[in-house]
Amino acid sequence: DTEVTQTPKHLVMGMTNKKSLKCEQHMGHRAMYWYKQKAKKPPELMFVYSYEKLSINESVPSRFSPECPNSSLLNLHLHALQPEDSALYLCASSPSSQQGAWETQYFGPGTRLLVL
Amino acid sequence: KQEVTQIPAALSVPEGENLVLNCSFTDSAIYNLQWFRQDPGKGLTSLLLIQSSQREQTSGRLNASLDKSSGRSTLYIAASQPGDSATYLCAVRTRGAGSYQLTFGKGTKLSVIP
Repeated sequence: DTEVTQTPKHLVMGMTNKKSLKCEQHMGHRAMYWYKQKAKKPPELMFVYSYEKLSINESVPSRFSPECPNSSLLNLHLHALQPEDSALYLCASSPSSQQGAWETQYFGPGTRLLVL
Repeated sequence: KQEVTQIPAALSVPEGENLVLNCSFTDSAIYNLQWFRQDPGKGLTSLLLIQSSQREQTSGRLNASLDKSSGRSTLYIAASQPGDSATYLCAVRTRGAGSYQLTFGKGTKLSVIP
């Protein structure tokens, strides 16, 4: 299984809602990433988890809260989002993080989020 | 700070043509460079990964080259097909602080006309 899965595929939420995005991989990878991609822009890194611990937070607002409950699963909890947070949210994984700088990152299909 | 530039931003070619996509980067101290394909509204599919010690990688009709000293990479697509239509992204992993991070170019949007 060389796949990263993400659910849901699409999400529409109001600014007062609380929702979660889910990412899963069963490749035994120990590094997982969240990226945000606005239309016609390249992906921007949000968070990096290494061995289930948050190692990088790229100054992301606190209305985005990541969680890594186990080595296969990565969540992104959303609360009080703004319309400008509407984007494609991509999850990726790699066998490890800094120590494995020579490794490729495998991306999921993304969750298309619309905040009304 | 690493910067990645892709030229052209968009390219339209007739089916069957060979084509070259260009990527340049400002900091040559990299671990590797990766080419991705992205279909509209979809995730990224890794096409080729070139380590800093390598000069090129090939997969099927795709060939990617790397000239680290000049900060350039090219993606060559042979005998293009309509199914190749997508946005192609180049990304580098830079040595030093932030080596966990991929720095992406803005992509080249390719349209192959039947």
